[in-house]
Amino acid sequence: AQKVTQAQTEISVVEKEDVTLDCVYETRDTTYYLFWYKQPPSGELVFLIRRNSFDEQNEISGRYSWNFQKSTSSFNFTITASQVVDSAVYFCALSEANAGGTSYGKLTFGQGTILTVHP
Amino acid sequence: DGGITQSPKYLFRKEGQNVTLSCEQNLNHDAMYWYRQDPGQGLRLIYYSQIVNDFQKGDIAEGYSVSREKKESFPLTVTSAQKNPTAFYLCASSIGTGGFISEKLFFGSGTQLSVL
Repeated sequence: AQKVTQAQTEISVVEKEDVTLDCVYETRDTTYYLFWYKQPPSGELVFLIRRNSFDEQNEISGRYSWNFQKSTSSFNFTITASQVVDSAVYFCALSEANAGGTSYGKLTFGQGTILTVHP
Repeated sequence: DGGITQSPKYLFRKEGQNVTLSCEQNLNHDAMYWYRQDPGQGLRLIYYSQIVNDFQKGDIAEGYSVSREKKESFPLTVTSAQKNPTAFYLCASSIGTGGFISEKLFFGSGTQLSVL
């Protein structure tokens, strides 16, 4: 069975600090996809990134960066120079892939990390 | 603006009552999903539908039912058999092309269901 663990339940930082959200996953699939979603107070989840199991390149998008390490089954998310608007619940998720290598929308989510950025 | 609309935002259920949560999308997506969110437990999949008139059970389907008569609509009924229905319910959709399902999900803003 697939499993995603976000060990940090809550993180509190002061604006401009860097913060890393940890994500560890378990799967028996050789082809899989990893995601990060952000849930602001309004409730809807917002897609941040998708990474497939064959692509271990790290990615940077503005103040966001992701570190995928297959050897440790981790997909950590770092926010550089955090801002108050980054305050939200962040979810890491894992998806199985069909034989064609395209992911279904059936996701296994982690418990979520509540990030609070103080001014 | 394209998106997913869930209604109502808050819903209360009495003992023994069935209630239906609405989900409508105008993104022209083939696939739709219902997830349940409980504090500290992340999201869990209830039902999903890859195409009109077809749907499959997710991980926690017991006590729930769905229908998919139109591409745009995927209502969820929480039946009296669901003994612990209090949760935040999120509807989502994805493109779905030629039998494959796009991995990026678009979410609605959710419905908070509480038991009276």
